[in-house]
Amino acid sequence: GAGVSQSPSNKVTEKGKDVELRCDPISGHTALYWYRQRLGQGLEFLIYFQGNSAPDKSGLPSDRFSAERTGESVSTLTIQRTQQEDSAVYLCASSLEGSGSDTQYFGPGTRLTVL
Amino acid sequence: QKEVEQNSGPLSVPEGAIASLNCTYSDRGSQSFFWYRQYSGKSPELIMFIYSNGDKEDGRFTAQLNKASQYVSLLIRDSQPSDSATYLCAVNGGNYGQNFVFGPGTRLSVLP
Repeated sequence: GAGVSQSPSNKVTEKGKDVELRCDPISGHTALYWYRQRLGQGLEFLIYFQGNSAPDKSGLPSDRFSAERTGESVSTLTIQRTQQEDSAVYLCASSLEGSGSDTQYFGPGTRLTVL
Repeated sequence: QKEVEQNSGPLSVPEGAIASLNCTYSDRGSQSFFWYRQYSGKSPELIMFIYSNGDKEDGRFTAQLNKASQYVSLLIRDSQPSDSATYLCAVNGGNYGQNFVFGPGTRLSVLP
């Protein structure tokens, strides 16, 4: 595709349920990032994938959060036993090489609402 | 803890004026600096990046970097109402992508 795509665009769930968010990066991009953005706040780094290297999970806020990536393509972010404080927009970004000078291209985000 | 700070605003400027957005960072080893624009309800989009001290111009936008003082700024000349958005400063501390740190953003409002 031409850009980063994410699905679903909106997700409303009940507290305690598990949710799975999907990200399709730009074809050929080896690096993929997940961020969380709470209302009116900046971007909070969650996890980073680069090629076949072990992911950097240092930003995951709790063990309820996990993410996987299949090769250099699709990634899924899973939140188990959702809590109301998990409500936010979850943004995925990809970049060509994952170097410090690389531009990140963002997807449209998934707005998660936990009731 | 690496930090990137921005004035949250809102910063209000009249149409046609110069808008000046500032960003400071704590990691002296930071090497790459990015400005993203985020319209309300939309995802961030890159405006420009800068790696070297000094100014970098792209159309109405100028990024300024001063590594000694650890600040980077974005100037928007001839501001337009369509420039009204939140501007995010992002700093990368090394050669690896996971060192990106985003500031909280400055909300800019350009008044017609």
